[in-house]
Amino acid sequence: DIQMTQSPSSLSASVGDRVTITCRASQSISNYLNWYQQKPGKAPKLLIYAASSLQSGVPSRFSGSGSGTDFTLTISSLQPEDFATYYCQQSHSTPRDFGQGTRLEIK
Amino acid sequence: EVRLVQSGAEVKKPGESLKISCKGSGYTFTSYWIGWVRQMPGKGLEWMGIIYPGDSDTKYSPSFQGQVTISDDKSISTAYLQWSSLKASDTAMYYCARVGGYGYHDSFDIWGQGTMVTVSS
Repeated sequence: DIQMTQSPSSLSASVGDRVTITCRASQSISNYLNWYQQKPGKAPKLLIYAASSLQSGVPSRFSGSGSGTDFTLTISSLQPEDFATYYCQQSHSTPRDFGQGTRLEIK
Repeated sequence: EVRLVQSGAEVKKPGESLKISCKGSGYTFTSYWIGWVRQMPGKGLEWMGIIYPGDSDTKYSPSFQGQVTISDDKSISTAYLQWSSLKASDTAMYYCARVGGYGYHDSFDIWGQGTMVTVSS
């Protein structure tokens, strides 16, 4: 199985900040990488697929990059509604496991 | 509107059986894989397995193989997750999600609202 490791596990930031979350795969997955956002008490929501493609309806302040084993999710200017937990997921092979999550909190 | 609607919360005792459901609407149910994801209290997302309602082909994570059964009834556009003998450690929120995709890239693009399963004596 491919292991997905996110860093940091938690992060404090302020509205307007630029934030980057990292996801590393235990082996190369090309660009088979998705990002999700989950708010408390809600189902996850797809943000980015294929490492850098923005899902329809997702604000352009979210962006993804990377290939191979190292990936990043960047939020260019944090908004109050962005405080949530973020998960990466590999879609290269089964099981399509998730990273452990990064909790983004208000500073 | 594309939707997945899950069955309601369950409270069960250890050793009991359970089957929860996920009904799709607004799209061709037999053309998309449906997956199940576990989230234990305060923890992250765990990929359990997927089923293709077109032919009921099923793939499980090794972590869940033999522990749960994923099935479907295409006549009513519904996928199921079931346990034959629940344990306290099965207490979690369970989400179903549709596997959408572009080209060779797939992702969970539509999610159900979740079903909370509580197992306690």
